[in-house]
Order: sequence, then structure tokens, then C-alpha cells
Amino acid sequence: NAGVTQTPKFQVLKTGQSMTLQCAQDMNHNSMYWYRQDPGMGLRLIYYSASEGTTDKGEVPNGYNVSRLNKREFSLRLESAAPSQTSVYFCASSELGGSSYNSPLHFGNGTRLTVT
Amino acid sequence: GEDVEQSLFLSVREGDSSVINCTYTDSSSTYLYWYKQEPGAGLQLLTYIFSNMDMKQDQRLTVLLNKKDKHLSLRIADTQTGDSAIYFCAETRSSASKIIFGSGTRLSIRP
Repeated sequence: NAGVTQTPKFQVLKTGQSMTLQCAQDMNHNSMYWYRQDPGMGLRLIYYSASEGTTDKGEVPNGYNVSRLNKREFSLRLESAAPSQTSVYFCASSELGGSSYNSPLHFGNGTRLTVT
Repeated sequence: GEDVEQSLFLSVREGDSSVINCTYTDSSSTYLYWYKQEPGAGLQLLTYIFSNMDMKQDQRLTVLLNKKDKHLSLRIADTQTGDSAIYFCAETRSSASKIIFGSGTRLSIRP
């Protein structure tokens, strides 16, 4: 079982470049999320999608866009990367948004992004 | 508010018990979770507790919930070197479609 798969695992960008982080889950989950993890700040929610066809802003959406391409895939795009976006990015999925509230998150292994 | 707070570091001797604490602010929390993150990996669910429970035990793990004080703790008995990781407390609510995380507690084990 693959679970949640993120690509790429590592990326270095120059300021102003753009890129898309890909995420796919094979658990038929309704909800998908993008978090960033920075030292001492834990996980901060960037965007989430409670169900196919919907997306909503989280705590730190500025500088990012998302697309819920279908039920399996949820991508995160940086249109013009900035050094402040250097971080580890995690995609996650859960059943939350369906009929069950007890639906913990399943995480991918992360994308380590450096913007110079 | 949406704050979930944890201390950043904890150091324990191998074989001792570790107690990681967490406080949250929202009284409507329904489920509270503990996640473990090992170096270079994503978060993995360790255990969870529903808000109408006081305690849950699962092998070496004991979760205690004090709903009045909005305080959650994770006790790891007989701590081993493999328990070295960052532990995140998280909460979810019946009204929300998202989970709120604490900043994580880094547990280090000394011989």
C-alpha cells in the first residue's frame, strides 16, 4: 500500500522560479491537506480540500495555489518562490469531511524545498 | 483561539518513563491525537482519544485527558532509543474539516 505519495522529495529553486508539488493518495480519502513544517513552529496548514472539487485556505496561504485535480490528487503550486518559502512541505489525507470524525491524517514523507 | 501548545524539548534516561504534555484552548475538541515524527519522515499516528474519555492505554503508551483543564499527556513507559522523535499533539472538532497541531516536542534519550 503506497498511502500518500509526494514528489519530488527534494527541490532547490531560485527566487522567482515556479514549481508544483504533487501529491496522490490511494486510500479513497475525501479530504487532503498541505502543511509546511518549520523549526520550532510545528505544522502550519497552507490549504486543504474537504472534498473533491472544493479547496479552502488554511493559516498561511499567501504565495501558494492549490488544485484538487480529482479525488486522488492534490497539488500545491508556488508561482514565484521566495526564500521565506524554504521549508518542508507535507501532504496528508483523511476521511474527515465524510461521515466519520475519527479520521486521523495520513502523511506523505515530505518535500524539502530550498529557495535561494 | 486555535492554539495547541507543547514544550519544545524533553530529555529522559533510557528505561525511564517519558511524559509529554499538551494544552489546548477549544472546549469543542472532539478527538485528540498524538503523532510521532522520526527524522526525515512524515508524521505517523501513535494513538488518539475521544473527548469523553479520561484515559486510554495501548501497550507502553498511556494517554490522559483532563477536559476541565484542557490538558492532554502522553506517557511512554520504559523509554527506548527508538522512541527518539518529535511528538505532536493535535485536535479536531466536530465543526471543522481540519486538524490543529502543536509545535511538537523533541524527545531525546540519554543512556
